[in-house]
Amino acid sequence: GAVVSQHPSRVICKSGTSVKIECRSLDFQATTMFWYRQFPKQSLMLMATSNEGSKATYEQGVEKDKFLINHASLTLSTLTVTSAHPEDSSFYICSARQGFGFEQYFGPGTRLTVT
Amino acid sequence: AQSVTQLDSQVPVFEEAPVELRCNYSSSVSVYLFWYVQYPNQGLQLLLKYLSGSTLVKGINGFEAEFNKSQTSFHLRKPSVHISDTAEYFCAVSAQGGSEKLVFGKGTKLTVNP
Repeated sequence: GAVVSQHPSRVICKSGTSVKIECRSLDFQATTMFWYRQFPKQSLMLMATSNEGSKATYEQGVEKDKFLINHASLTLSTLTVTSAHPEDSSFYICSARQGFGFEQYFGPGTRLTVT
Repeated sequence: AQSVTQLDSQVPVFEEAPVELRCNYSSSVSVYLFWYVQYPNQGLQLLLKYLSGSTLVKGINGFEAEFNKSQTSFHLRKPSVHISDTAEYFCAVSAQGGSEKLVFGKGTKLTVNP
């Protein structure tokens, strides 16, 4: 149980275009989802926290208008990278939390390459 | 705010040898502690967690960790490693009673050689 999927696993896009990444909890309802960014050989940096039906809370330094997060249902959150640039190339990982438990279940990640 | 320091960026060991991956944290409040493993191009998998109670925590795949409050450490150990344990390991903390956001260390790359 507690499986989180992400789609797509890899995406290549041209500079200036937008890309949407989906994060789904497959067998549980996720009241909270988290979006992380991971640079090569570095740790995960939390970008934002989203609760179902409410606006996401972004970490300091993360551009809200560039990284649009929508948590429309208890099983789906989306991250849209708008007007992507090469510096947005990274590994994006989502996680989901069920209820008020402490454990986060992580998705397999999405590798974004902006050319 | 919390911070996590993983003292070793890379740890090479031979198969069947014991290993210890070190993790120290800093926090002004009590914390929950976690160890995650990441295989190449994959997400994170929880190895073990400390929430309360016994300071020795046993996890999956034969790993264990000991919470030492006085030394603010949460080192990960395994008595005998396998080739398949080769991966990146992340220590993380979360403030008790806070937003429960995870703060990660920079990771330790464990390489198990035959």
